[in-house]
Amino acid sequence: DTEVTQTPKHLVMGMTNKKSLKCEQHMGHRAMYWYKQKAKKPPELMFVYSYEKLSINESVPSRFSPECPNSSLLNLHLHALQPEDSALYLCASSQGKLPGTAYEQYFGPGTRLTVT
Amino acid sequence: DAKTTQPPSMDCAEGRAANLPCNHSTISGNEYVYWYRQIHSQGPQYIIHGLKNNETNEMASLIITEDRKSSTLILPHATLRDTAVYYCIVRAESKNNAGNMLTFGGGTRLMVKP
Repeated sequence: DTEVTQTPKHLVMGMTNKKSLKCEQHMGHRAMYWYKQKAKKPPELMFVYSYEKLSINESVPSRFSPECPNSSLLNLHLHALQPEDSALYLCASSQGKLPGTAYEQYFGPGTRLTVT
Repeated sequence: DAKTTQPPSMDCAEGRAANLPCNHSTISGNEYVYWYRQIHSQGPQYIIHGLKNNETNEMASLIITEDRKSSTLILPHATLRDTAVYYCIVRAESKNNAGNMLTFGGGTRLMVKP
């Protein structure tokens, strides 16, 4: 099973709402990622979790709050978002590191978020 | 991570080989070349990666020049389903538990035509 699943597929939320995006993988991967992709642009890294600990935060505003409850799950909690946060949010996972070893990332299909 | 340069778009006839170039003239000795593609409205898909030697898998071949300053992704028999944005990414492997973060550039939009 090389699948990363994301729910929901689509989400429309108001600027005062609180919502969560969910990501799940059962490949035994120990690194998980959130990316944001605006229309016609490449994906941009937001957060990296490694062994359930936040290892990279790419200066993401605090209205985005990641959470990794266990090695298979990754959440992104959303609060007080702005219309410019509307984008495709992609989750990915990869194997835990062996120093100097190359390994690929597996991406989910994304959640298309619209903030009104 | 080294910067990559790719043509913004390319066309290819169905059934023919698609050759997608990538320049990475500032690549370091420990940096790998990765290729991903993104079909419209889907998440990116890993294709292949390499360090020095040419690589081949069921999806594609990766040709890396001897000086490692450029590479070419080859789809041997392109189909309409290969229409996508192809990203060339250069990345050194993490030496700690930081994960394998990817920095995507603009990519090449490949259009396979009947």
